[in-house]
Amino acid sequence: GAGVSQSPRYKVAKRGQDVALRCDPISGHVSLFWYQQALGQGPEFLTYFQNEAQLDKSGLPSDRFFAERPEGSVSTLKIQRTQQEDSAVYLCASSLVAGESEKLFFGSGTQLSVL
Amino acid sequence: DQQVKQNSPSLSVQEGRISILNCDYTNSMFDYFLWYKKYPAEGPTFLISISSIKDKNEDGRFTVFLNKSAKHLSLHIVPSQPGDSAVYFCAARRGDDYKLSFGAGTTVTVRA
Repeated sequence: GAGVSQSPRYKVAKRGQDVALRCDPISGHVSLFWYQQALGQGPEFLTYFQNEAQLDKSGLPSDRFFAERPEGSVSTLKIQRTQQEDSAVYLCASSLVAGESEKLFFGSGTQLSVL
Repeated sequence: DQQVKQNSPSLSVQEGRISILNCDYTNSMFDYFLWYKKYPAEGPTFLISISSIKDKNEDGRFTVFLNKSAKHLSLHIVPSQPGDSAVYFCAARRGDDYKLSFGAGTTVTVRA
């Protein structure tokens, strides 16, 4: 596709429910990032993939958060037993080469609301 | 622990005038700085960057200034246009890192 695509655009979950957020990066992009943006804050790093390898998951807030990119393209961020503090916009970004922040393309995000 | 801070949540400026957005950072290891622009319902898009070996970088109407000793950078938009109305994020990273640390953003409104 022309850009990074994320789905769903909005997700409402009841506390305790599991959710899965999908990211389709730009075709051929090696690097894929997930960021979490809480209301009124800037994006915060969650995890980084280079192809299918998850090289850094230091930003994941708890073991309820899990991300995968099994074939080196589409990625899924899964949150188990959602809590109210998980409410945020989850942004996916991809780039052709790691570290090319000028050429980091973001999706529109998934807005997660946990009730 | 916020390592990048944008202390002005909002800025209102008249069309044609200068917009000045400020950003402070605390991590002295940061050596690459970027500004991203974000419209509602869209993801952030890259605007301009500066390496720590420079103190100024200009791209059209946008200029970024870096003061390393003060750990401060600013973005100047001259002249401001209605299409510049957006949220602007300051971001920083170490040169050998891929992770970006973002500020909380400044919402710019350009009045006609």
